[in-house]
Amino acid sequence: EADIYQTPRYLVIGTGKKITLECSQTMGHDKMYWYQQDPGMELHLIHYSYGVNSTEKGDLSSESTVSRIRTEHFPLTLESARPSHTSQYLCASSDPRTGNTEAFFGQGTRLTVV
Amino acid sequence: AQTVTQSQPEMSVQEAETVTLSCTYDTSESNYYLFWYKQPPSRQMILVIRQEAYKQQNATENRFSVNFQKAAKSFSLKISDSQLGDTAMYFCAFMMGDDKIIFGKGTRLHILP
Repeated sequence: EADIYQTPRYLVIGTGKKITLECSQTMGHDKMYWYQQDPGMELHLIHYSYGVNSTEKGDLSSESTVSRIRTEHFPLTLESARPSHTSQYLCASSDPRTGNTEAFFGQGTRLTVV
Repeated sequence: AQTVTQSQPEMSVQEAETVTLSCTYDTSESNYYLFWYKQPPSRQMILVIRQEAYKQQNATENRFSVNFQKAAKSFSLKISDSQLGDTAMYFCAFMMGDDKIIFGKGTRLHILP
């Protein structure tokens, strides 16, 4: 099983609240990703990082923000949650420098904003 | 921009049968990686198989194999002797030089007993 963890697994929160979704990996991977998975199961890349102090926006515009202060930690923050943010969020990591191109995924956080 | 297309939203096959999932992609790159990922219901996404574009030989992992046609930009997944545990969403994915992974919309596969 991959050493990448997301917390919480499930979160129900009220509109306007600030939330942070946690993602941690113990594999020392430089590359990390956040995907938003819609009800039809399609994956949309919303943020990624090449390493510490590197963050990039993905293909889907998102009101969320990310930070990468430590290699192992890539949290995603929503300053003011809205019902439109209801979705499953998947975190992943990879390290192509090692010659292994595989991305490892966390179990996901299912967010419901009411 | 690179795109990945999976034309089969949903498929069902009987246990022990062989099934092929289709994937096409579009890129102007010559060096890239292709993947098939599996997402079982309520479980983590895991890698099924990968293919380096510079390798002509099709990748194989036990019951899973691919048919990689670089000129046609096609990358299909064949599952032989399908099992109930193969029931899942299957995503075709592409990774280009800057290491951004792009996924197709997925194919929901049901293995029927």
